[in-house]
Amino acid sequence: AAGVIQSPRHLIKEKRETATLKCYPIPRHDTVYWYQQGPGQDPQFLISFYEKMQSDKGSIPDRFSAQQFSDYHSELNMSSLELGDSALYFCASSLEQDTRNTIYFGEGSWLTVV
Amino acid sequence: GQNIDQPTEMTATEGAIVQINCTYQTSGFNGLFWYQQHAGEAPTFLSYNVLDGLEEKGRFSSFLSRSKGYSYLLLKELQMKDSASYLCAKAAGNKLTFGGGTRVLVKP
Repeated sequence: AAGVIQSPRHLIKEKRETATLKCYPIPRHDTVYWYQQGPGQDPQFLISFYEKMQSDKGSIPDRFSAQQFSDYHSELNMSSLELGDSALYFCASSLEQDTRNTIYFGEGSWLTVV
Repeated sequence: GQNIDQPTEMTATEGAIVQINCTYQTSGFNGLFWYQQHAGEAPTFLSYNVLDGLEEKGRFSSFLSRSKGYSYLLLKELQMKDSASYLCAKAAGNKLTFGGGTRVLVKP
């Protein structure tokens, strides 16, 4: 079965540069979530979208922005990168109408800021 | 905060049983997820509990008590490949809040 697809899988950027991560949810899923997981830490919720509208916001820095497009894919834009932004960024998706609302994760995008 | 608590680390022997407990604040609770995560990899879905009781899925079972804000994940017939972190996550609204994860080390 198709899973959540993230790209790129690995990304190296310098401080103050900009990075964009992409997420393609499981087909028919209408909700997308972004999580950030630093080394040795648990995933922290950043932001979520339902039907192309922001539905919830967590600990997302002001330097970051995200959106969900008409085909339900989402992009996380990170500007003025800092060393502390180095982390594994997970995208997850779910189907709102699924009463279980099970959330499935992509394989993650490794961002290294040097 | 969500105050999701689970033990940091557990060690068990191959073939044994291990129970990972998770407690959470009950406010805004929608459901409780368990994920398995190997180092450097994505969390993979194990179970989802929304009603009280035990749900069994092969070697893994998950239990929930909504009134007590308590869940556990039971891993039976441990295999070496079960060495991983196990994340308890509370669903509130449309987001997950994770506990710190429990590192399970399976020894031969």
